[in-house]
Amino acid sequence: QQQVKQSPQSLIVQKGGISIINCAYENTAFDYFPWYQQFPGKGPALLIAIRPDVSEKKEGRFTISFNKSAKQFSLHIMDSQPGDSATYFCAASKHSGYSTLTFGKGTMLLVSP
Amino acid sequence: DAGVTQSPTHLIKTRGQQVTLRCSPKSGHDTVSWYQQALGQGPQFIFQYYEEEERQRGNFPDRFSGHQFPNYSSELNVNALLLGDSALYLCASSLEQGSAGNTIYFGEGSWLTVV
Repeated sequence: QQQVKQSPQSLIVQKGGISIINCAYENTAFDYFPWYQQFPGKGPALLIAIRPDVSEKKEGRFTISFNKSAKQFSLHIMDSQPGDSATYFCAASKHSGYSTLTFGKGTMLLVSP
Repeated sequence: DAGVTQSPTHLIKTRGQQVTLRCSPKSGHDTVSWYQQALGQGPQFIFQYYEEEERQRGNFPDRFSGHQFPNYSSELNVNALLLGDSALYLCASSLEQGSAGNTIYFGEGSWLTVV
């Protein structure tokens, strides 16, 4: 059972455009939703995270939108740059879960120059 | 401030062999988790160590075992290697205090190829 579903699998965006990646979760006990960025040959690096008590969080060009009733959250990358080309993973964890993460399958983003 | 460090970075093993991977958590962190990331997939939780005890485990067979040392470093051992064990093994560290939602830092991983 896949607890965190992520889409699309891959995404091509022109430089300066908006990249949007969506995730849906099933377990209502999840209460922490981070996004990780992973470059080839590297480990995942935390990009931005949100808790369900807010509907949106913005850090620079990166924004998480959260819809608790729909059990969905999304990552928006504004003014996408070629350096943003990487694989993005959404994840979720629960308060009682000792900080263990359940990941989506990832989205490979390519920002064309 | 050193981040999460893992060794070795790459290794090749033969089916049936055993492998040990090592991890040093980020300075000040006391909790270590291990994840397996197959090619093109998201990381999958293997287990977590805190106070030298395994306290949570994902859906992995007993061939996967681990250890945490008093200095919080950790080892992941895999016995009787299968071709399907070929993956990137990631170590993640965090701080137990106020653990829910604490930032989890990942190392660069150890690439294991089983032939």
